[in-house]
Amino acid sequence: DTEVTQTPKHLVMGMTNKKSLKCEQHMGHRAMYWYKQKAKKPPELMFVYSYEKLSINESVPSRFSPECPNSSLLNLHLHALQPEDSALYLCASGRNAGTSTDGYTFGSGTRLTVV
Amino acid sequence: DAKTTQPTSMDCAEGRAANLPCNHSTISGNEYVYWYRQIHSQGPQYIIHGLKNNETNEMASLIITEDRKSSTLILPHATLRDTAVYYCIVRDSGGSNYKLTFGKGTLLTVNP
Repeated sequence: DTEVTQTPKHLVMGMTNKKSLKCEQHMGHRAMYWYKQKAKKPPELMFVYSYEKLSINESVPSRFSPECPNSSLLNLHLHALQPEDSALYLCASGRNAGTSTDGYTFGSGTRLTVV
Repeated sequence: DAKTTQPTSMDCAEGRAANLPCNHSTISGNEYVYWYRQIHSQGPQYIIHGLKNNETNEMASLIITEDRKSSTLILPHATLRDTAVYYCIVRDSGGSNYKLTFGKGTLLTVNP
């Protein structure tokens, strides 16, 4: 299995809702990443997990809460989002953070719309 | 600060080679050059990376100048499915810097 699987593919949520995005990989990768991509912009890094521990938080608002329950799974919990948070949320994985020069594998993303 | 400079857009005829340039004049000795592409509404896809030697794989070739200040990604026989935004990224080989930071990229349009 050489894929990163993200679910759901599309999500519409209200500003008072709580929802979660899920990312899964079975490549044995120990680094996992969340990116946010607005329309016609490049992806922007949000969080990095290395060996299931949060190692980088790019000053992301607390309404985004990441979680890495095990080495194969990465979640992004969403609460009280704003319409400007509507974007494509991308998950990626890499063999490990810091020492591997291999490329990352990205999922196809969750397209989130906040209404 | 942007570490790489790429043209905003390029066109290529189907079947011809697509040569995508990238300037990275401030690259340091332990930074690799990576190329990714993103087809519309999909996640980015890793293409190739290199340190100082030229590299080739089943998707593309990467030519890095001797002073490492610029590189060129070559798609030898472009197809319509190669239409995408191509990102050139420099990244440290290790330590604590494992961020992959995307610039604006080059929109390559392959025309029939």
